[in-house]
Amino acid sequence: DTGVSQNPRHKITKRGQNVTFRCDPISEHNRLYWYRQTLGQGPEFLTYFQNEAQLEKSRLLSDRFSAERPKGSFSTLEIQRTEQGDSAMYLCASSLERQLQETQYFGPGTRLLVL
Amino acid sequence: AQSVTQLGSHVSVSEGALVLLRCNYSSSVPPYLFWYVQYPNQGLQLLLKYTSAATLVKGINDFEAEFKKSETSFHLTKPSAHMSDAAEYFCAVSEYGSYKLIFGSGTRLLVRP
Repeated sequence: DTGVSQNPRHKITKRGQNVTFRCDPISEHNRLYWYRQTLGQGPEFLTYFQNEAQLEKSRLLSDRFSAERPKGSFSTLEIQRTEQGDSAMYLCASSLERQLQETQYFGPGTRLLVL
Repeated sequence: AQSVTQLGSHVSVSEGALVLLRCNYSSSVPPYLFWYVQYPNQGLQLLLKYTSAATLVKGINDFEAEFKKSETSFHLTKPSAHMSDAAEYFCAVSEYGSYKLIFGSGTRLLVRP
């Protein structure tokens, strides 16, 4: 069990540029989540995949944001035309579907700074 | 909508003292409840979770939390603080059948030598 990994760990970009983040979940986990965490706040849910299907998107996820999980394994989160307000930590989590509430395991996050 | 309130954005204790971090949730139906810890530059790590099996939940590193339905609370405690406990702690809730976690704003625990 190598845990959830995220790349890159840090990204600095200029306003208006596009950025893409990658998340590799724990290998047997079929559920994958993206959260965003701003300074002084708890993580906020962005979107959720079960296998390759994106089942929910938060209202926080504007049309500049898109997430994919093409083969039900790794996932990417792309932000187009970045804005300064997009600066945050982007967290990925994965879990294995169970009857009782499963545990979400989090990656270390990608910290985005938009200049 | 579900919400989580963590009282106290910062809590400071002496090493060896009792740790008490407060969490209240809003729900008409008992939810699932979680405590996560976040160390600097690391991801969130699960300390413990309540899934209705027992109201007193024991977690890692001697942390425990008690679910009190009448008070809609799920406070986190540890009998004796260690310097290594200094971190940010997040309480989270999810409803039965839901997959997303709703987090509180976090409490930063400072441990004084």
